[in-house]
Amino acid sequence: DIQMTQSPASLSASLGETVTIECRASEDIYNGLAWYQQKPGKSPQLLIYNANSLHTGVPSRFSGSGSGTQYSLKINSLQSEDVASYFCQQYYNYPTFGGGTKLELK
Amino acid sequence: QVTLKESGPGILQPSQTLSLTCSFSGFSLSTYGMCVGWIRQSSGKGLEWLANIWWNDDKYYNPSLKNRLTISKDTSNNQAFLKITNMDTADTATYYCARPSQGSDYFDYWGQGVMVTVSS
Repeated sequence: DIQMTQSPASLSASLGETVTIECRASEDIYNGLAWYQQKPGKSPQLLIYNANSLHTGVPSRFSGSGSGTQYSLKINSLQSEDVASYFCQQYYNYPTFGGGTKLELK
Repeated sequence: QVTLKESGPGILQPSQTLSLTCSFSGFSLSTYGMCVGWIRQSSGKGLEWLANIWWNDDKYYNPSLKNRLTISKDTSNNQAFLKITNMDTADTATYYCARPSQGSDYFDYWGQGVMVTVSS
């Protein structure tokens, strides 16, 4: 199976700051990568698919990039409602998820 | 409007079989390209994909759990099901059903999840 290594595991940032979360695949996943946001007690919500396509209704301050085995999620101008956990998921092979990044406000 | 909702027993004993139901609306599993999947989330193992069932009854399972999983559907009642045999305390998790985006394997709609605890 394809292993997804996500970093950092936790992150503290200030309002208005730009935040970047990384995800590394154990092999090339050819842009078959999605990012999800999960708030406490809620189910994950899709943010990005195909590595860089913004899901309908997701604010434009979220963006995805990368290729091959290295991918990243960037949040520009951090808002209070962005406090959540973030997960990457590859779907080039049967789906596997990263371990998650917990984003808190500084 | 696509919605999914999971239901299950809440608690069961080790070695028992877990039966989960996903009731959904806003799409049909008889429509070309449609699919429903199951994912679980535990504090120990994070998010773990379990199985997908497609409109044409194709079924795909996580290889590490394949011998314990059975996914099925009832198209006329807009439901999907998952059975997991020989449950263990390590299977304690929140179980989600979710709909993959048409023709792909990322999930654009999720249910609220159902917590399942395995305890003697």
